[in-house]
Parts: sequence; structure tokens; C-alpha cells
Amino acid sequence: GAVVSQHPSWVICKSGTSVKIECRSLDFQATTMFWYRQFPKQSLMLMATSNEGSKATYEQGVEKDKFLINHASLTLSTLTVTSAHPEDSSFYICSARVRRVTQETQYFGPGTRLLVL
Amino acid sequence: LAKTTQPISMDSYEGQEVNITCSHNNIATNDYITWYQQFPSQGPRFIIQGYKTKVTNEVASLFIPADRKSSTLSLPRVSLSDTAVYYCLVGEEDDYKLSFGAGTTVTVRA
Repeated sequence: GAVVSQHPSWVICKSGTSVKIECRSLDFQATTMFWYRQFPKQSLMLMATSNEGSKATYEQGVEKDKFLINHASLTLSTLTVTSAHPEDSSFYICSARVRRVTQETQYFGPGTRLLVL
Repeated sequence: LAKTTQPISMDSYEGQEVNITCSHNNIATNDYITWYQQFPSQGPRFIIQGYKTKVTNEVASLFIPADRKSSTLSLPRVSLSDTAVYYCLVGEEDDYKLSFGAGTTVTVRA
């Protein structure tokens, strides 16, 4: 399967600072990537769809000015949590859309654990 | 997006076959059915995907009846390392947004 990486794998920051999380497709190009958030013992919640070369599409209730998404190349999407607060502490997971002849799938990164103090 | 319903949890023992059934009554014509596995503090891992009938790979089998209103993921001879949350998702090919439900927590015991 396709490999998706995330960096960093975990980060601790002070309240009010900004944190950038990178999502890379390692062996394929991804025109579309997705960002999810997962709180403890809960399921994944889609935050936004990241399209290469265009603005991201945010799900209802997700603040686009707080969660900045940049998809500047076919292998890299970044999520910046601006002015992070403790309630932003969560597990952030990206995925990349892979389209093949007989299959369309999303492959997920390993996730980034964010802890805001 | 078609909503899915699956059991909250299932218990099994090593070596047994585990079958998880997912209901998706409102599945659309263009929707594919995809199953993912997730371990704690890891991203979901793709298991299998299908549109109709039966699909089999080295990890699992996916059975889809003709009406496509449900699907069953079959894990043969599970081991302790198969303890995880399994998600059934239904998505449309051209707008492939996935909506994760609660998933099924499968616990495999020795």
C-alpha cells in the first residue's frame, strides 16, 4: 500500500503558540489529502479536505482561521494549529487519497499527538 | 454520506474466525465499502475494499450481498495482535470523504 508519513509524531506546546504538522505521501502523489482529529476513546472526525494548489475545504464547525491548511505540492500538506489552547489537544491524523484503476482508497499517516499546556 | 452501523464490540479467542457485519441501508450506487483497522495511538490501516459480491486479500475477506445494504468483514484465525478497532466506511468514488462511525472494538483473548 501507499505510505503516508507525519511529522512530528508528538508535540507539546504552550498555550497561545502555533504548531505545524506535516503530512507527506512518500511513494506517490496525492492531489487530495484529508485532516482528521481524534479525541480519546472517540472516532475520527474529518476536519478538512486539502487540495493541491487550491484552498482547503473545511467541515462544518471547524474554524479555518485556527486550523490553517496548505497543500503546496503533490506530496505535502501542512496543518497549522494557530494560537493553540488546551482544548486543541488531540490526535491529528492525515490521509492521502489514492486513485487506481480498480480502487480508490485513503491511506492514513501514523498521527500526531498534540498536547497544549 | 451513507451512515453505517456496526456492533460496538466483539470478543474472540486466538485461532477463531471473526465476522463483523456492518449495515449501510442508504448506500448509494457509486459508493464503495472500505474497512480499516486502528490500533491505539496509530492512524487507521486499510484492510479491504469492495463494491459487490466477495473480495479476498491476504488479510481478510469482505462479503457483500446483492442488495449491498450490509457487508461482513471476515478475519480468519485471529491472533492477539488483531485486537483493534475496526471501522466500516462507505464513500463515493468522486467525492471520497469518509465518515467514521464508532467502529467495532475487537478483543482477542488467548
